[in-house]
Amino acid sequence: GQSLEQPSEVTAVEGAIVQINCTYQTSGFYGLSWYQQHDGGAPTFLSYNGLDGLEETGRFSSFLSRSDSYGYLLLQELQMKDSASYFCVVSSYSGAGSYQLTFGKGTKLSVIP
Amino acid sequence: GAGVSQSPSNKVTEKGKDVELRCDPISGHTALYWYRQSLGQGLEFLIYFQGNSAPDKSGLPSDRFSAERTGGSVSTLTIQRTQQEDSAVYLCASSHTSYEQYFGPGTRLTVT
Repeated sequence: GQSLEQPSEVTAVEGAIVQINCTYQTSGFYGLSWYQQHDGGAPTFLSYNGLDGLEETGRFSSFLSRSDSYGYLLLQELQMKDSASYFCVVSSYSGAGSYQLTFGKGTKLSVIP
Repeated sequence: GAGVSQSPSNKVTEKGKDVELRCDPISGHTALYWYRQSLGQGLEFLIYFQGNSAPDKSGLPSDRFSAERTGGSVSTLTIQRTQQEDSAVYLCASSHTSYEQYFGPGTRLTVT
């Protein structure tokens, strides 16, 4: 089966840097992505790692190590609007051109002044 | 262009009634997913459609839940004989890649 582990809550100060870790166990692993969800809103795509290494998109970066079954999301220069839940998502190949996406339980980030 | 749309946005129903939730995916997206999210919780996978392949129904919680996708586009999630534990936000997403999903605004279902 598939399993993902990420912290349930993180608190950080405005302007700081925060890292949200994700470890996973899955068969047919294809890639790791991250989604952001504000309270009352729908999840929105942030980043994807199909290969090992760091992907940078503005203030957000995401990292993947396939050998360690581990990834993280790094948020820099935190802003109050970054307060949201962040989901680690594993893509796994299930055959015949089909992919299964498994969401972690989410990390609630609270940014404080 | 238009994003994923869902209807209704809110649905209040009595226990035991059937409900239908609709999802209009982004045109051209071959993959369509249904999820359920309870307050403050993560996303629970329900069902996945990919092109003309048989749907992955492995996440459906009981045989009261069913879904279909007509013409590779619009999808309907049906819950029969609703129970109070079915109360949640039901999210639909569509995709044309293996990782980037576009979510609709969701349908908030309340079973009284």
